[in-house]
Amino acid sequence: DAKTTQPNSMESNEEEPVHLPCNHSTISGTDYIHWYRQLPSQGPEYVIHGLTSNVNNRMASLAIAEDRKSSTLILHRATLRDAAVYYCILRGYNAGNMLTFGGGTRLMVKP
Amino acid sequence: KAGVTQTPRYLIKTRGQQVTLSCSPISGHRSVSWYQQTPGQGLQFLFEYFSETQRNKGNFPGRFSGRQFSNSRSEMNVSTLELGDSALYLCASSQELAGADTQYFGPGTRLTVL
Repeated sequence: DAKTTQPNSMESNEEEPVHLPCNHSTISGTDYIHWYRQLPSQGPEYVIHGLTSNVNNRMASLAIAEDRKSSTLILHRATLRDAAVYYCILRGYNAGNMLTFGGGTRLMVKP
Repeated sequence: KAGVTQTPRYLIKTRGQQVTLSCSPISGHRSVSWYQQTPGQGLQFLFEYFSETQRNKGNFPGRFSGRQFSNSRSEMNVSTLELGDSALYLCASSQELAGADTQYFGPGTRLTVL
């Protein structure tokens, strides 16, 4: 699986937007970009995924660079509940359901 | 729909014992994956089952095994427990095998080996 690189930690103020970056320079043409997050004492939960175009859902937006070598998860208004570890993961189209987790980014939200 | 359930939630065992963990996927989901999470190694893939067949296996010793039943419920077994097996064991389910498919995680089973 292609690797992803994320900052170890980021800080944000409550109710401000947060941009979480992810580099994936060796991404292949059929790799999907997935984001999951893990709240304290919980299992990971799905946030969003995309292939080429930017994506929006009720939780977040995903901005994918034109060359697909990087992406950014955008939380439009951070809340204290968004404090979690965010994982950026690449999944091949026919790769099954194995998720390769890196270290992720620990997001801290200050009130 | 009910989410992914895992039993038991907490377990304490001693070295050398064996343990069986259970996972019930979301209704209609045919794929179940297992992960181990430790502070040192993070989240690591153990194995994946789809329609009762193991599709993928991570880099773990043969002491770790699993199976899936016809109703998609899955169990994983760890034999001859070692102290290093202390971890949070997570199960995830999804409908299919495609790379775009969302995985839904359970709350995990916290295993402590003494």
